[in-house]
Amino acid sequence: SQKIEQNSEALNIQEGKTATLTCNYTNYSPAYLQWYRQDPGRGPVFLLLIRENEKEKRKERLKVTFDTTLKQSLFHITASQPADSATYLCAAVNTNAGKSTFGDGTTLTVKP
Amino acid sequence: NAGVMQNPRHLVRRRGQEARLRCSPMKGHSHVYWYRQLPEEGLKFMVYLQKENIIDESGMPKERFSAEFPKEGPSILRIQQVVRGDSAAYFCASSPPTSGYYEQYFGPGTRLTVT
Repeated sequence: SQKIEQNSEALNIQEGKTATLTCNYTNYSPAYLQWYRQDPGRGPVFLLLIRENEKEKRKERLKVTFDTTLKQSLFHITASQPADSATYLCAAVNTNAGKSTFGDGTTLTVKP
Repeated sequence: NAGVMQNPRHLVRRRGQEARLRCSPMKGHSHVYWYRQLPEEGLKFMVYLQKENIIDESGMPKERFSAEFPKEGPSILRIQQVVRGDSAAYFCASSPPTSGYYEQYFGPGTRLTVT
């Protein structure tokens, strides 16, 4: 069955460092990968989308890569800040099926 | 421009009662999605609707759950005869006609507790 796995439940890093989160997919050929941020008690907030024919996408301190050979997306936050502490969700969209399939999320804690 | 609105934010029901969750999409958005998030788990797709049409309900449990998005008014997720396992956060998302599933805007969620 189609699976989206985010392989770290929790990630702790020091302020100023780069946080790297991983999203792997199996039995799947998503046309798009999305990344969302979710704070406790709130709905997810859309951050970035990357298409299968794009290798990399950037937005301010955020960078996303999409490697269709490795079946993996990496999400980077550079110069991390305590305010970046949240759960980050990866989601895959297969245009044929239409729905987003979400991973379970990685909880990032940035320590001052 | 108000975001996606969901109400109620918190809902407590006894086993066997009905739960009705409402979602008003962002202005101009005609696509609505419902997701369920169990404690310590990720979001699970339930249903995708456009006005007066169910496009994809592959994530909906076969019994007790139904969803609608009428021509006028909010989208409704209805759970009949609730059980304890239905306790979860239910999120609604919407997207504009041109963007489809690619950029979804989520509401704050309805936290359902079944006692």
